[in-house]
Amino acid sequence: GNSVTQMEGPVTLSEEAFLTINCTYTATGYPSLFWYVQYPGEGLQLLLKATKADDKGSNKGFEATYRKETTSFHLEKGSVQVSDSAVYFCALSDLDAGGTSYGKLTFGQGTILTVHP
Amino acid sequence: SAVISQKPSRDICQRGTSLTIQCQVDSQVTMMFWYRQQPGQSLTLIATANQGSEATYESGFVIDKFPISRPNLTFSTLTVSNMSPEDSSIYLCSARDRGPLGTQYFGPGTRLTVL
Repeated sequence: GNSVTQMEGPVTLSEEAFLTINCTYTATGYPSLFWYVQYPGEGLQLLLKATKADDKGSNKGFEATYRKETTSFHLEKGSVQVSDSAVYFCALSDLDAGGTSYGKLTFGQGTILTVHP
Repeated sequence: SAVISQKPSRDICQRGTSLTIQCQVDSQVTMMFWYRQQPGQSLTLIATANQGSEATYESGFVIDKFPISRPNLTFSTLTVSNMSPEDSSIYLCSARDRGPLGTQYFGPGTRLTVL
């Protein structure tokens, strides 16, 4: 079956520090990969996604590259801000048999990020 | 994109009672889902809400405990029945839009505490 493993948290950084949150996956097919973010007291928001090997998803200064050879999708940001404090979830989804829509999302355990001024 | 709202945003309930959570999407979507997020944990899929038919439940979740309705393309309800303290969680509604391959969006969640 499919699974997603994220680095252990929580992660605490100072403002303007470099961020990496590791994510590796196991999948039976050729999945699409996602990063979701959950700000305090809110639901999940899609941060970025990548649908094929070597694709780079990016949004709000965050980036992640789909690495099929290492089955990884690490999240990076060059300079974090206090407002980036949130829980970050890595997730994957296989395409259905027809290749026309995503199947169920499988989530990692989430990584809590706290950024101090 | 799809904007999802949920009601109530939070509730405190007594053991043995039931609570119905409503989910409204601002556009027609292909699929709707219900997730549970226990304190400090990741998301667990409860079921896929099917329009006009019975929901499809994941292993470990049953209709008697979590009855779900989806009368149209933009609305769904989840009922947590005969609650116990172990049901204290955040319940999240999610929907997949009609774009190419469909992106999945999430509501703000309903924070449930059972005493």
